[in-house]
Amino acid sequence: EAGVTQSPRYAVLQEGQAVSFWCDPISGHDTLYWYQQPRDQGPQLLVYFRDEAVIDNSQLPSDRFSAVRPKGTNSTLKIQSAKQGDTATYLCASSQLGGLSYEQYFGPGTRLTVL
Amino acid sequence: GDSVTQTEGLVTLTKGLPVMLNCTYQTTYSPFLFWYVQHLNEAPKLLLKSSTDNKRTEHQGFYATLHKSSSSFHLQKSSVQLSDSALYFCALSDNNRIFFGDGTQLVVKP
Repeated sequence: EAGVTQSPRYAVLQEGQAVSFWCDPISGHDTLYWYQQPRDQGPQLLVYFRDEAVIDNSQLPSDRFSAVRPKGTNSTLKIQSAKQGDTATYLCASSQLGGLSYEQYFGPGTRLTVL
Repeated sequence: GDSVTQTEGLVTLTKGLPVMLNCTYQTTYSPFLFWYVQHLNEAPKLLLKSSTDNKRTEHQGFYATLHKSSSSFHLQKSSVQLSDSALYFCALSDNNRIFFGDGTQLVVKP
């Protein structure tokens, strides 16, 4: 069974540039999560979807971050006008049946550096 | 608010010794606790999970017991191996939000 895949694996930007991250969850998983993991910190939930619906995006900096999952499968996280403080690894995870008490399967992450 | 605390940022041990990684949490809801392990340049993977008070859960030689009275879910292993070197995260879910601790880096030396 293929795991969660993410691309790109690395991105380096200047401040003010935009970037998109792509995630392909495990087939059949209805719930998809995006996390931000700053260096030396634990993952912090940004947003999660059940099918195509946003369940919780309260931690997403809405002025510059956006996330979509239009068909309830793949998802894209976009940062407009990146800042140095956005430097982190962005992790995508998926799970079956929804809910936060179920095991989440993580992708390898995208390591973003904003100069 | 809800939170998870992992007090050790780095633990260094010699192979064969026991280890305990601390995890305490704060929540007003019924907790579901997890331990995830992340090897270098790999994705985090679930190691253990529990929502049952005072019941030991085990996997791959690691074990933990959720103690609601002390809000703890410490991870233990009786004899660490070189391959156990990794970053370990404790996480809390109240089914509305999920919170990860900052992680404990375990380094096992020969």
